[in-house]
Amino acid sequence: NAGVTQTPKFQVLKTGQSMTLQCAQDMNHEYMSWYRQDPGMGLRLIHYSVGAGITDQGEVPNGYNVSRSTTEDFPLRLLSAAPSQTSVYFCASSSRESPNQPQHFGDGTRLSIL
Amino acid sequence: AQKITQTQPGMFVQEKEAVTLDCTYDTSDPSYGLFWYKQPSSGEMIFLIYQGSYDQQNATEGRYSLNFQKARKSANLVISASQLGDSAMYFCAMRDLNSGYSTLTFGKGTMLLVSP
Repeated sequence: NAGVTQTPKFQVLKTGQSMTLQCAQDMNHEYMSWYRQDPGMGLRLIHYSVGAGITDQGEVPNGYNVSRSTTEDFPLRLLSAAPSQTSVYFCASSSRESPNQPQHFGDGTRLSIL
Repeated sequence: AQKITQTQPGMFVQEKEAVTLDCTYDTSDPSYGLFWYKQPSSGEMIFLIYQGSYDQQNATEGRYSLNFQKARKSANLVISASQLGDSAMYFCAMRDLNSGYSTLTFGKGTMLLVSP
């Protein structure tokens, strides 16, 4: 019963480096999304997808790219890391057929940009 | 635009007492859903309780209940008989109309500390 799996759990990058945060879910959920959590800010939406091949921007999309080639996977790419992207990143998924069901969250990726 | 407001940055409660965590919301959508999540120090997001805008009764889940006052646009979380393990950050959230209900809009959270 894996649910939503995020890798890595921790990562340290230097300014300007690129990396991809992985997210996979095994619940056949149509909806997937990425949030970042900063102290005192709650969770803010970065990008989301309502199905394979469909993505859209959230509240804070700058500096991030996403793609959704399969239902299961929704990777988040940082093209050129900046210290302002130091944060905890959460991936979440939910079912289109059950709007009163909660989003399922991964355990998060703690990312530090030096 | 939708907005969730949690006005209590931190709350303290003694073990076995009840505590209310405040949440107010703003939306133009007549059909909405409200969620509460718990985030312990280990960092994971744990779903606690859901309230739909058309639900006739306040939601309850074990020691958690929702004091839903639609006219006031408030959805306060009530935790009865607090336990030490309830110490955590608590987030109120609403399904986001702008994303076709596929995402959540979160409040900034309330840190709850339960003392012995």
